[in-house]
Amino acid sequence: AQSVTQLDSHVSVSEGTPVLLRCNYSSSYSPSLFWYVQHPNKGLQLLLKYTSAATLVKGINGFEAEFKKSETSFHLTKPSAHMSDAAEYFCVVSEGGSYIPTFGRGTSLIVHP
Amino acid sequence: EAGVAQSPRYKIIEKRQSVAFWCNPISGHATLYWYQQILGQGPKLLIQFQNNGVVDDSQLPKDRFSAERLKGVDSTLKIQPAKLEDSAVYLCASSLDLRTSVFGELFFGEGSRLTVL
Repeated sequence: AQSVTQLDSHVSVSEGTPVLLRCNYSSSYSPSLFWYVQHPNKGLQLLLKYTSAATLVKGINGFEAEFKKSETSFHLTKPSAHMSDAAEYFCVVSEGGSYIPTFGRGTSLIVHP
Repeated sequence: EAGVAQSPRYKIIEKRQSVAFWCNPISGHATLYWYQQILGQGPKLLIQFQNNGVVDDSQLPKDRFSAERLKGVDSTLKIQPAKLEDSAVYLCASSLDLRTSVFGELFFGEGSRLTVL
């Protein structure tokens, strides 16, 4: 069975400082992992994905994530936060055994000027 | 390319009434999902279709929820009768096929927000 745990419900940063959103996963198979972003009243948009290629994945808007199998983690980072990054972020795991993408509860990123 | 279309965007009903949501996926996408997103929680899968067949509906409350995708294109999700706890955003998503749902991107509509009074 697959599951994903987002360790923080809210993360607050100042504009221009680094962002770290934490995600741990559990999977019976080699998983695919994704980060999606949801701006208020908008649909979810894919930020980046890991599908067993390079463990360091670069996405849109300067975000990246590193797959660490030993730690079962897939944390999302960005060197410098922008006000427009304020949104809800979801970590998602999917595996070939189920074909069902499973979402974490989400982390709300708050960016202060 | 047109995205995933959903309607209505907002719906307010009283408990025990019925409601229906419509979704038109991206053209050519065989796999379609309905997710329920309660405020403060991540989306929870209700039902997954591959063309017009159901792949998984294990978390669909079948005593009140129903969904269909008769021609393998657009889909309807119905709730009858609605309960207070059904207040949520109902998200429709599509992907090219089942393999893409594992290794590729899901494309989401903007959601239908339901408020049950």
